[in-house]
Formats: sequence, structure tokens, C-alpha cells
Amino acid sequence: ETGVTQSPTHLIKTRGQQVTLRCSSQSGHNTVSWYQQALGQGPQFIFQYYREEENGRGNFPPRFSGLQFPNYSSELNVNALELDDSALYLCASRRQATDTQYFGPGTRLTVL
Amino acid sequence: KQEVTQIPAALSVPEGENLVLNCSFTDSAIYNLQWFRQDPGKGLTSLLLIQSSQREQTSGRLNASLDKSSGRSTLYIAASQPGDSATYLCAALPPGNTPLVFGKGTRLSVIA
Repeated sequence: ETGVTQSPTHLIKTRGQQVTLRCSSQSGHNTVSWYQQALGQGPQFIFQYYREEENGRGNFPPRFSGLQFPNYSSELNVNALELDDSALYLCASRRQATDTQYFGPGTRLTVL
Repeated sequence: KQEVTQIPAALSVPEGENLVLNCSFTDSAIYNLQWFRQDPGKGLTSLLLIQSSQREQTSGRLNASLDKSSGRSTLYIAASQPGDSATYLCAALPPGNTPLVFGKGTRLSVIA
């Protein structure tokens, strides 16, 4: 148990739809990062939030957006879904930049 | 730009064998290196974290080493068991407020 939870576990959407994925971090973990993991690949960094502000972003288009809330929860929103967005989406939290990152179980998104 | 490579991509060994998984990174300026385990369709479980000032870390049957000068890390698993079957990912943390950079993983199968 990492203390990081994600919902939903699985999700099926159609192309063009919008989706919101949720993550609940450990208490006191001010930094949350989101990663996309395609089948057979390592996780790719989407963006990172620190104290409710985005402070880092990977090579993902603006239709990927997020929010972080004071209660250590966060959201990943994806608009105009494409088939290639099908992947496992992972969130990870940590207390400080140099700490171990604790990952949630992920949300498996399938876009048809 | 940091890149992380893991060799081999897949490995199958008989139960009881000792084995080594390899990880290489292109930029020696890292803050730490972390090894994760991932079961099929699941999130990441942190196994070992090695700070840049350390040479190795041990946990039970696992031992991870770090050689920053050569850009290499190894994960040694002693007396492998079928329950060790999973994908093992290594990830480097560059300096500053930056995300983890992952390799694609090594898929390990331990045959009873």
C-alpha cells in the first residue's frame, strides 16, 4: 500500500469525448505528478503540480490539463480524446522534490 | 536530455537462480535512481532508491548498485522465486524540480 489512490480503475470512452481521472495523495505530499504509460513502454511524464500550481510539463498537448486541491487530491482532464490516449494513467505523490515517489494503482483508459 | 535504457527487455530464468537487471542513463547528473516493480495492469511499487552519494542499497533478496561515472545501475535478485515475475523499471531523477525519467522496463519470468 502506497497511500495513493486513483479512480476509476478502468474507463472506456469514445474518440472526441472528455475524461476526468482522479487521484488522492498521501497527507502532507505537496507534489503530485501524472504519467501516461502505453503498453510495453515506461511511464511518460505529463505534468506536475506543487501546492496547487503547475510547475512542470512534459511533451503533451494543452488538451491534457490538471488541477490540484488543498486536500491533497488532484485531477487529470483530457479533452477531445484520441485513440492514442489509450493507456494506463498513473499519479505519484511526494513530500519533497528529492523524496521517493509513491505511485497509485493507475487508471486504465481505453478510447474506442 | 536524460535517457534511460534497460537491457534485456525480457528475461526468463528457472526458480532459484540469481539474476542481474541492467539500467543505463546518459547524463550522470542525477539526484537519485529508483527501481520499481510493476505487476501486469497495476501501478508501480518502489523497491529501492539510491541517492547519488550512495553506491548501493539492499532490501531482502534485492540489491541495487549505482555507478554514476559510468551511467549504470544494476538490480541483483538473489534466489529468484515465481512471485518475482513482473516488470522491473528503473527511473533516474535529474537535479532540480524535475520528473522521473523511466526506462522501458525488463519483463522477468521466473519458472517453477
